[in-house]
Amino acid sequence: DTAVSQTPKYLVTQMGNDKSIKCEQNLGHDTMYWYKQDSKKFLKIMFSYNNKELIINETVPNRFSPKSPDKAHLNLHINSLELGDSAVYFCASSYSGGRANVLTFGAGSRLTVL
Amino acid sequence: AQSVSQHNHHVILSEAASLELGCNYSYGGTVNLFWYVQYPGQHLQLLLKYFSGDPLVKGIKGFEAEFIKSKFSFNLRKPSVQWSDTAEYFCAVNAAGNTGKLIFGQGTTLQVKP
Repeated sequence: DTAVSQTPKYLVTQMGNDKSIKCEQNLGHDTMYWYKQDSKKFLKIMFSYNNKELIINETVPNRFSPKSPDKAHLNLHINSLELGDSAVYFCASSYSGGRANVLTFGAGSRLTVL
Repeated sequence: AQSVSQHNHHVILSEAASLELGCNYSYGGTVNLFWYVQYPGQHLQLLLKYFSGDPLVKGIKGFEAEFIKSKFSFNLRKPSVQWSDTAEYFCAVNAAGNTGKLIFGQGTTLQVKP
């Protein structure tokens, strides 16, 4: 069973469109994240939710809207897609009660905006 | 602000060569340190982590890393690399108590020639 699963794995779309990426974890973790990996492979946190509550919101355009219907799911909706949104988006999860947050990552969703 | 710097962007080694990848971070407080590996086309996997205690930590697949507090460094080592170690390696840090916000270095591409 995949611990952190993301769909879709690949997404090709036109500028201006709206798209969503879904993430689910079956690890029983209470915290979920979205990270963006750009073309130079640099990883940067975008959002984090703990028990459905937004706790980290980095400097991200408000075209990006995360939604966490429950602690096992964290979706990312992107409005009015731009060329610069092309990247690999990684979902991750962790348990906040441990010594430190060790993140488990999903396989990534590669978004290409044409 | 925290930052992580990986000195080597692209390393090419022959099989059986020894590996050392540099990682330095900037943060004045207590930190948790991680190395993640991303094999071609795959998600990030935890290689090893340091929270406290023995500064020499051992991870999977024969990797180890040494935390040197005075140098703000957490270098990754492996005595003898294999072709299957070809991957992208990321050093990451989070401030102790800072829920899950990992700051990543820019990554090092390791290419091992058979």
